[in-house]
Amino acid sequence: EIVLTQSPATLSLSPGERATLSCGASQSVSSSYLAWYQQKPGLAPRLLIYDASSRATGIPDRFSGSGSGTDFTLTISRLEPEDFAVYYCQQYGSSLTFGGGTKVEIK
Amino acid sequence: QLQLQESGPGLVKPSETLSLTCTVSGGSISSSSYYWGWIRQPPGKGLEWIGSIYYSGSTYYNPSLKSRVTISVDTSKNQFSLKLSSVTAADTAVYYCARLDGAPHSSAGYWGQGTLVTVSS
Repeated sequence: EIVLTQSPATLSLSPGERATLSCGASQSVSSSYLAWYQQKPGLAPRLLIYDASSRATGIPDRFSGSGSGTDFTLTISRLEPEDFAVYYCQQYGSSLTFGGGTKVEIK
Repeated sequence: QLQLQESGPGLVKPSETLSLTCTVSGGSISSSSYYWGWIRQPPGKGLEWIGSIYYSGSTYYNPSLKSRVTISVDTSKNQFSLKLSSVTAADTAVYYCARLDGAPHSSAGYWGQGTLVTVSS
């Protein structure tokens, strides 16, 4: 099973700042089959990025994904108030597993 | 607009079987382009994939849960279902159904709102 480790666990930033979230895999993720989700309290996760760098339908371009192999990054170029949430990475190159999440909180 | 809705008991006794149904509206569960899955989230914790199903009935399960999980599909009702047997308190979670994009292990573009299932006597 591929284990995904997200860092940091919590990111404290102000609106307008840049957020960089990391997702490390215990083995190489084939074909960059990695996705990112945003989850707000009491709601289901929302798909942001798939295939490591493709934005899902309706996702603003301030969200971008990059990486390959075992190291992946989600970048939010300028944080909007609605971006403060928990973010999960997910790999689907070998079965399907999720990372433990990164909480982006208001500083 | 595609919508998924989970339904089922919110309370299950230990050692019994948890049963949930996901009703799909605004689209056909028989589409050849998608798979359908169950994902759960214990309170305050992360996400765990339970399993996936294709409209033909082909199933794919998380190895850690495989011995206790059955997922089935009813295309006539546009529904798919989850059964998890021999539940314990560790199975207490919000259970989500989702549409998987093109493969049994894939990104999930559509999710239900989730339903909390508590395992307690």
